[in-house]
Amino acid sequence: KAGVTQTPRYLIKTRGQQVTLSCSPISGHRSVSWYQQTPGQGLQFLFEYFSETQRNKGNFPGRFSGRQFSNSRSEMNVSTLELGDSALYLCASSLVGGSLTDTQYFGPGTRLTVL
Amino acid sequence: SQQGEEDPQALSIQEGENATMNCSYKTSINNLQWYRQNSGRGLVHLILIRSNEREKHSGRLRVTLDTSKKSSSLLITASRAADTASYFCATDRGGANNLFFGTGTRLTVIP
Repeated sequence: KAGVTQTPRYLIKTRGQQVTLSCSPISGHRSVSWYQQTPGQGLQFLFEYFSETQRNKGNFPGRFSGRQFSNSRSEMNVSTLELGDSALYLCASSLVGGSLTDTQYFGPGTRLTVL
Repeated sequence: SQQGEEDPQALSIQEGENATMNCSYKTSINNLQWYRQNSGRGLVHLILIRSNEREKHSGRLRVTLDTSKKSSSLLITASRAADTASYFCATDRGGANNLFFGTGTRLTVIP
């Protein structure tokens, strides 16, 4: 079974631009979560989607948004990019989420650099 | 915000030695998980321990959990160069749907 895939793997943008990242979960998984990893703040939860609905949200500004499609694929969007948005963005999928006995499987991440 | 702290922040050992990493957390939990991350890559799930469990084994990994002290430890026995990575503990803060990660321990195993 294929793992979680994320595209693109690397991205360079300039301040003020917007960016869309994509995540394809493991086949059959319906929950997709997004995390941001930076050297200063570590790994932080952005949001979780299940059945095309945002079910949980972390403490990030409204510039960060996401969505999930009927095939469980998910996208996250960051508008008006700031230098501090430079990070590794990780996507994780699980069967149904809602409980952390349901293991989350992570993708390789998208490395975003904002210049 | 991060849930916990790993200790030590960095650890360097010789191949064949055991490596012990500790994790402390702040709130009550239902589960605690350990993940490994190779440099700049995604996280690999290693093991999950429930709050009513005290110890769990998986291959060369041994995890303990002390909920009274709000701490956990990960022991890697007979380390290999391929174990070189960062190790993170993650908790659910008592039932949240998302993971709260610690700061990580950077393990280097010298061949």
